[in-house]
Amino acid sequence: GENVEQHPSTLSVQEGDSAVIKCTYSDSASNYFPWYKQELGKGPQLIIDIRSNVGEKKDQRIAVTLNKTAKHFSLHITETQPEDSAVYFCAATNNAGNMLTFGGGTRLMVKP
Amino acid sequence: NAGVMQNPRHLVRRRGQEARLRCSPMKGHSHVYWYRQLPEEGLKFMVYLQKENIIDESGMPKERFSAEFPKEGPSILRIQQVVRGDSAAYFCASSPIAGDYEQYFGPGTRLTVT
Repeated sequence: GENVEQHPSTLSVQEGDSAVIKCTYSDSASNYFPWYKQELGKGPQLIIDIRSNVGEKKDQRIAVTLNKTAKHFSLHITETQPEDSAVYFCAATNNAGNMLTFGGGTRLMVKP
Repeated sequence: NAGVMQNPRHLVRRRGQEARLRCSPMKGHSHVYWYRQLPEEGLKFMVYLQKENIIDESGMPKERFSAEFPKEGPSILRIQQVVRGDSAAYFCASSPIAGDYEQYFGPGTRLTVT
């Protein structure tokens, strides 16, 4: 089955700096890659996603890049703010597209 | 438009009791997924259902766990004879279409087994 690895597990940045989180996946048939933000005590919130027919997608301060050949994708957050502090999860669909396989998560801390 | 609803938000059960977790998908969504999150870990897929059908239960433990999504009413995740290892957050997600489409998550049910 699909296996998703996520790095780093924790990331601390100064407010205003950029943050980058990287994921790799194993199943070359995977074709949908969402990113979720989870705040303490809450459910995961979809923040951005990318499909395999594009290499990059941007939404204000958040961008995601995908390299299908290398089977890795990354989340980029620019001009970080304290409210960006949370746990971020990457995920990939299996080839049937029914389930999401999640990475282990990255705890992002933005210091004011 | 209300999001995915889950109840209860917190559930405490003694070992050996039954736990019933409920999930109402977003309006217009007919696909429901259940995931489990152990402390400090990522989410793990359990089961995927459509109305009156279990489509994929490859992530469900073979014993004590069952799920349903009846024609009317919420989806139910049922855990019989709970053990301490069942303590976790259980999240439900819904999507309008199957496959590589957005899944939206509910707030979760935090199950504690004492």
